[in-house]
Amino acid sequence: EVQLVESGGDLVQPGGSLRLSCAASGITFSDLSMYWVRQTPGKGLEWVASINPDGSMEYYVDSVKGRFTLSRDNAIKSLYLQMNSLRAEDTAIYYCARSRSDALDIWGQGTVVTVSS
Amino acid sequence: QSVLTQPPSVSAAPGQKVTISCSGSSSNIGKRYVSWYQQLPGTAPKLLIYENNKRPSGIPDRFSGSKSGTSATLGITGLQTGDAADYYCGTWDNFLSAWVFGGGTRLTVL
Repeated sequence: EVQLVESGGDLVQPGGSLRLSCAASGITFSDLSMYWVRQTPGKGLEWVASINPDGSMEYYVDSVKGRFTLSRDNAIKSLYLQMNSLRAEDTAIYYCARSRSDALDIWGQGTVVTVSS
Repeated sequence: QSVLTQPPSVSAAPGQKVTISCSGSSSNIGKRYVSWYQQLPGTAPKLLIYENNKRPSGIPDRFSGSKSGTSATLGITGLQTGDAADYYCGTWDNFLSAWVFGGGTRLTVL
């Protein structure tokens, strides 16, 4: 089955850390860029970060630069988002997505991150 | 304030046609492919249109996309109640080195 499955979302206090994971199965992974996109309930989609196929280049939205780090392990078809110094405004559903033909063609079901004391 | 501008909402009756616009600039839509996403309530987004006007396997031909200059349009014909959803346009922005989404358009099928 073609799918991306996110995990690692949790309730964390402000200033804390979380590591999100995204496991791919049934799809080409190592040849394509991967993305994280988040969505605050009731709001729109916000791109968070993306990484190129070999993991040598990463891009981040300004609001997470210096706090979030994206990485991937192509051998086990996994994507990771290390989130440090978390803030209340990072509270959202986090989706991983695959990029193909300049579009995000496969999405996971999302994992919920809540930053609150 | 989103880099790509979409109308917040559109509505039409079942069987009718609706269009959703997405306005950008020369650094994004003007130079890159546009894609469109449908998000049904409580679900993850799903790719509807890629490379401006191509449909992934399984997407009915009631959905169409077009691009002209720095704007793109999603068209939906033969509206069904199941089409009620939020629709987002997206593309890469060469100046920002960032993926950008429109703010989303909520489609109501009356």
